[in-house]
Parts: sequence; C-alpha cells; structure tokens
Amino acid sequence: ELKVEQNPLFLSMQEGKNYTIYCNYSTTSDRLYWYRQDPGKSLESLFVLLSNGAVKQEGRLMASLDTKARLSTLHITAAVHDLSATYFCAVDLWGTSYGKLTFGQGTILTVHP
Amino acid sequence: NAGVTQTPKFQVLKTGQSMTLQCAQDMNHEYMSWYRQDPGMGLRLIHYSVGAGITDQGEVPNGYNVSRSTTEDFPLRLLSAAPSQTSVYFCASSPRGPLVAFFGQGTRLTVV
Repeated sequence: ELKVEQNPLFLSMQEGKNYTIYCNYSTTSDRLYWYRQDPGKSLESLFVLLSNGAVKQEGRLMASLDTKARLSTLHITAAVHDLSATYFCAVDLWGTSYGKLTFGQGTILTVHP
Repeated sequence: NAGVTQTPKFQVLKTGQSMTLQCAQDMNHEYMSWYRQDPGMGLRLIHYSVGAGITDQGEVPNGYNVSRSTTEDFPLRLLSAAPSQTSVYFCASSPRGPLVAFFGQGTRLTVV
C-alpha cells in the first residue's frame, strides 16, 4: 500500500525567510505532484515532476524529485504572505495502479509579516 | 470553459438519508475521481474511473456508490448517510497520462 507523508504538517514562517517542505513516499514511483489549496477553496496544480532529478520552479517555489530516496521537496524562498495556504504532494503508480492519486496529509503554511 | 463542476456546494443530511453528489467535466478527460477531505488526513480516494463504464474502489469506498455512463459525468451516491460521512468532497478529472488533476469547487456535506 502506497503511503505518502509530508513534514512538517504545520509551518509558521516570517516573511523573507526560506524553508523546505518534505514529501516522502513508500513505493517506487516517478510521478509526483504538488498542489496548493487556499482556505475554503479547491486544489490548484503547482508542479508535475515526472522523472528522477526533475526540478521545477515558479516564482518563490521550487520543487524537486529524488526517486531513489522516494523524496520530493518544495522549497520556499523569501516567503511572502501570499504564499500562506495548504500544500499537498501526491503520487501515482502509473502502470500498476493507474488513475489513482495518493495524497500526503498536507502542510499548512502561514507566513507572518 | 467550466472545467469540473460539482453540485451542490453545501448539503445537510439526516442520518439514513440518501443523496447524489453531481460531478461534470467538459474537458473530455478520461479519468475522474472522488475524494473526501478531512482535517489532518489530506485527501482520501473514494472511487475512481478510467473511462465510461469503468469504475473501481479507492481507499475509503464503504457507504458510497458510483457509476460512469458518460465521459462527462461521475456522480457519487451516498446510500444511507452517517455522521462519519461529514466531510468536504472533491471531484477531479485528469487526462490520460500524467495525472494532472483538475478539481471541482467541492461539496461541504454535514450529516446530523
């Protein structure tokens, strides 16, 4: 059974600081996704990582994937208040369990002035 | 372009009642899924479909039924609502290939 674990689950940051959210998963996969959810809203796709060593960047967020370590990171650079949201990683097991996404618990990020 | 449309947005049910949550997508996506979101537990997959006429169970299927008669629609039926089914329900669709899921706006369901 695929398990996806994020840490930390809660992250309180000051504006301007850097931090990293970690996503570990239990079964070999080379497909990992990051989503953002604002309070009371739906989920929005941020990054799609489809191979070992993949790195994607958008603004102050950068995501990477290490399939050997079964680890993805979401790095936040110089945080701003607008980044406050819940961030989820998700994994699919294409070829063995296609059509299914397994999500981590989510990391609630709060950025303070 | 509507994307994924869920109805209703809010619903209160009494224990034992049944209802159907509607989900429709206009992107011609093959894959559709239903998730429930509970605090501290992320999103958990209830049922999913890889095409019209094909459905399968996810992680938490008990108490729910689905069918997929068309590519566009994927309704979720609660057979006999229980307080444990109080949650926010999200429908998602994805094209074949990498599962870049597009989510609906969610249905907040309360069972009393």
